[in-house]
Amino acid sequence: QKEVEQDPGPLSVPEGAIVSLNCTYSNSAFQYFMWYRQYSRKGPELLMYTYSSGNKEDGRFTAQVDKSSKYISLFIRDSQPSDSATYLCAMSALGRPGANNLFFGTGTRLTVIP
Amino acid sequence: DTAVSQTPKYLVTQMGNDKSIKCEQNLGHDTMYWYKQDSKKFLKIMFSYNNKELIINETVPNRFSPKSPDKAHLNLHINSLELGDSAVYFCASSQSRGSGANVLTFGAGSRLTVL
Repeated sequence: QKEVEQDPGPLSVPEGAIVSLNCTYSNSAFQYFMWYRQYSRKGPELLMYTYSSGNKEDGRFTAQVDKSSKYISLFIRDSQPSDSATYLCAMSALGRPGANNLFFGTGTRLTVIP
Repeated sequence: DTAVSQTPKYLVTQMGNDKSIKCEQNLGHDTMYWYKQDSKKFLKIMFSYNNKELIINETVPNRFSPKSPDKAHLNLHINSLELGDSAVYFCASSQSRGSGANVLTFGAGSRLTVL
């Protein structure tokens, strides 16, 4: 079983839709949860970062972490064609510098149709 | 002004050759990484260096050898290239924090194709 599971999609939605992206994980030591966005032929870029359980909102994006269920989500409101990308969840445990390995999901490919 | 830059961006080579990918970051970060992304977009860590010290060395063939001449550079040399080495290799950097959180800044990737 992989450390992090993520539905690879692809996911296609009309412009303006609410998008829900999810990941589950097995390692209860994970405390730091991130979402990266990767455009085609580009490197991943950090979108959202949360520590432990709870919600975090940034503009149209909301990240949720439920540690009891080992489940994290990213919601995108009023989705735009520019949101079309691959979204990767990532998480890590506490550790010494450079040793707290970041585990990635396989990514969900999202297409927002104008 | 690119934060994490990798060269070359594309690399096409024959099986058995030796090749290197270079990475430089100008963010002042103390930790650098190499990740491999396969055709299914799965990102897997290969190595990490903190202040030039090798910290993470995942199960990677000995043909892969990282070198960090200073905190701002992390190069990857690959000997005797095999077909299965074809992938996109990402360099990344981060600044270690007391909290241990890893917020990585990635380069644009180096797409390696072995024929």
